[in-house]
Amino acid sequence: EPEVTQTPSHQVTQMGQEVILRCVPISNHLYFYWYRQILGQKVEFLVSFYNNEISEKSEIFDDQFSVERPDGSNFTLKIRSTKLEDSAMYFCAGSTRDEQYFGPGTRLTVT
Amino acid sequence: DQQVKQNSPSLSVQEGRISILNCDYTNSMFDYFLWYKKYPAEGPTFLISISSIKDKNEDGRFTVFLNKSAKHLSLHIVPSQPGDSAVYFCAASAGGNKLVFGAGTILRVKS
Repeated sequence: EPEVTQTPSHQVTQMGQEVILRCVPISNHLYFYWYRQILGQKVEFLVSFYNNEISEKSEIFDDQFSVERPDGSNFTLKIRSTKLEDSAMYFCAGSTRDEQYFGPGTRLTVT
Repeated sequence: DQQVKQNSPSLSVQEGRISILNCDYTNSMFDYFLWYKKYPAEGPTFLISISSIKDKNEDGRFTVFLNKSAKHLSLHIVPSQPGDSAVYFCAASAGGNKLVFGAGTILRVKS
């Protein structure tokens, strides 16, 4: 059964550094998402991406964040200048319709 | 953001008995509801969903009930098995886009 994959599984970075989180969605998915879960909090929506452009973004997704799907397979989330409060689990998800299928997540630790 | 609420942080059930997980929502624009199961250090795994035009959906041991007038849904697992022990998240969407998650309920199935 096809799965969403994410790399790396754990990323440690210093405050102010750029990070790129990578996802390979299931091949027939059309809609792509990033969510995050800060420790002890809810899973929260960051951004959705369809037809090579952002379709919706949350208040969290400010100018420090960007997404792209450069080669039709990888879907990336870039944080330009990380802050301590960006430490969280980041989940990629994809869908063809209503059910979204999630990857295993990347744990981002900002020190 | 309290649009989706899971008021029980945890639930403990004996193996073989029924587990009932509850979820309430406030946004009347939600038209699709999903349940996800999550193990530590993994991404949410899709379990079952229901459209707002239905009041029940069943898949094997899992049944989701939707009461639109009460803005309430529940997930029934019967019979419960020790492998069902995990965190269960209720999620909702409006128009097939971003998911809004509840805080989760930890289910422990005792053998």
